Parts: sequence; structure tokens; C-alpha cells
Amino acid sequence: KNEVEQSPQNLTAQEGEFITINCSYSVGISALHWLQQHPGGGIVSLFMLSSGKKKHGRLIATINIQEKHSSLHITASHPRDSAVYICAVATGNQFYFGTGTSLTVIP
Amino acid sequence: DVKVTQSSRYLVKRTGEKVFLECVQDMDHENMFWYRQDPGLGLRLIYFSYDVKMKEKGDIPEGYSVSREKKERFSLILESASTNQTSMYLCASARLYGYTFGSGTRLTVV
Repeated sequence: KNEVEQSPQNLTAQEGEFITINCSYSVGISALHWLQQHPGGGIVSLFMLSSGKKKHGRLIATINIQEKHSSLHITASHPRDSAVYICAVATGNQFYFGTGTSLTVIP
Repeated sequence: DVKVTQSSRYLVKRTGEKVFLECVQDMDHENMFWYRQDPGLGLRLIYFSYDVKMKEKGDIPEGYSVSREKKERFSLILESASTNQTSMYLCASARLYGYTFGSGTRLTVV
């Protein structure tokens, strides 16, 4: 069972490109999280969304509750954005995770 | 700064050993989770706990047990470590709108 699906699984981009990572989910949620994990590093929370859009620097996250879909956008990508990006949805006290999108940004 | 602290960053254990992975949070969160992360499989839930002395099985509890004697501490126990338990183990604590991971413990069973 895959309550959360992410695409693409792997993504390589040139520095400066606009990047989009997609997340679709099949359960009713109270919140959606976008997480970032650098190679060998821990996981940090980028965004928590329950509706609409949030922006933090070059990162933008959107969610469409009706379509059960969220996107993470990175504008003017940089090599330091290279990481695994994970979508997670919260239903009550339970969390479901996508398998992650591995992003590599080439200088 | 709020934290979820895992006691070891790297751990090497022998097959058959009993292994304890410790996790401590300082955010007074009721909910705590243990996950393992493997290439291509993403994060998989092993056990979680809603309260002290309370535990629930996740998706892959076999070969593991947990202990939550105090609110801030959630321990994962491998009763008899096996090579297929070599993995990255991540602890997290959460309220509904707050979710924090520890930095992970990379366990190798030889």
C-alpha cells in the first residue's frame, strides 16, 4: 500500500533551473510536510501545509486539498539544494511517507 | 532550541546481540516514533507511542520492541540483532502540527 506517492524518484538539474517535485496522497489528512535530508545528514522539516501555499526563500510549497496533491518548487536551484526531499502526510497521530525524491543540482 | 537526540550516530553490533537505541526529546511531545530508512524503500514505521507506557506496532515491528517509561524517552530494542536489521534508524517526536526528527543512528550488524 502506498498512501503517499512522489515523483520523480530521481532528478538532476543544472544550477539555476526551476525544479518541481510532486506528491500525491490517498488518505484524508490534517497536514502535509515537506522534509529535506542531505547526504549523511538528518532530516529537517521545510514546510507544514494544511492549505494554500507557503514560501521560504527560494522554496515554495503548494497544496490542493481537493485533488490530494502537493508540489515543492525550488527556484534558481543551487548545488547546495542537492538532497532527498520527502513528502509526509499527517492523519491524526499517524504519519505516512513518500519514498523521497533524490535531487542533484550540477554547477 | 528544541531537539530530538539519538544516543549514537554510528553503531556496529554482532549477530545475536541485544541492541538498544535511545531517543530523547525535550519538547514535551506525547507522540514518538521509530523508523528505519533503507535505499529505495523510504521511511518505514517500526513502532510508535502516544503516551508513557503505551506502544503501538507500525508497519514492520517484527524483530523489534520498544520501551517508553518516561515521556521524553523512547527506546528501540533489537532483541537478537540480525544482518537484515542493518539500516539507518530515525526517531521522531510530534504533535499534530509539529514534527521533529533526530539525526539518525546508522546500525551495522555483522
